[in-house]
Amino acid sequence: EPEVTQTPSHQVTQMGQEVILRCVPISNHLYFYWYRQILGQKVEFLVSFYNNEISEKSEIFDDQFSVERPDGSNFTLKIRSTKLEDSAMYFCASSVARDYEQYFGPGTRLTVT
Amino acid sequence: QKEVEQNSGPLSVPEGAIASLNCTYSDRGSQSFFWYRQYSGKSPELIMSIYSNGDKEDGRFTAQLNKASQYVSLLIRDSQPSDSATYLCAVKDSGGYQKVTFGIGTKLQVIP
Repeated sequence: EPEVTQTPSHQVTQMGQEVILRCVPISNHLYFYWYRQILGQKVEFLVSFYNNEISEKSEIFDDQFSVERPDGSNFTLKIRSTKLEDSAMYFCASSVARDYEQYFGPGTRLTVT
Repeated sequence: QKEVEQNSGPLSVPEGAIASLNCTYSDRGSQSFFWYRQYSGKSPELIMSIYSNGDKEDGRFTAQLNKASQYVSLLIRDSQPSDSATYLCAVKDSGGYQKVTFGIGTKLQVIP
């Protein structure tokens, strides 16, 4: 069964450093998403991506964040100048169409020290 | 701000019983509703989607939707210890948006 994959599973970085989180969505899916979950809190929407551009973003997704689909399979989230409060689980998700189910990857645990 | 409300629990049920999980949402125009299961330290795993009023059954799971009351529920029949997890209610925003808003989740404990 196809699944969303994410690398790395755990990333430790120092405050102020840049990190890139990588995702491979399900191959026939057209919509891609990033969510984050701070420990003990809700899963929060960050951004959606369709047809090689951002289609929607939340107030969390400020200039510190960017997304890219550098080739036909990868989907990345870049966080510039990380802050302590960026420590969270970051989940990539994909869906075949806009209103359909979103399938989540295993997540990347980002720890900013 | 669109809200999805769930009782965080824990909800404890004996093995073999029916677990009933409830969720209310604020976005009256929402059309797509999802239940995810999340084990501790893991990612959300899709269990059910429901789009129309009424019941939808899949194995031991039944999702119920009442748009007039802005209420979604999930019933788990013959609960097993392996069902012990946090169950997340998720509602897709209306108005052509792609964002899904999640509730805090209800922690379910199935007691052997």
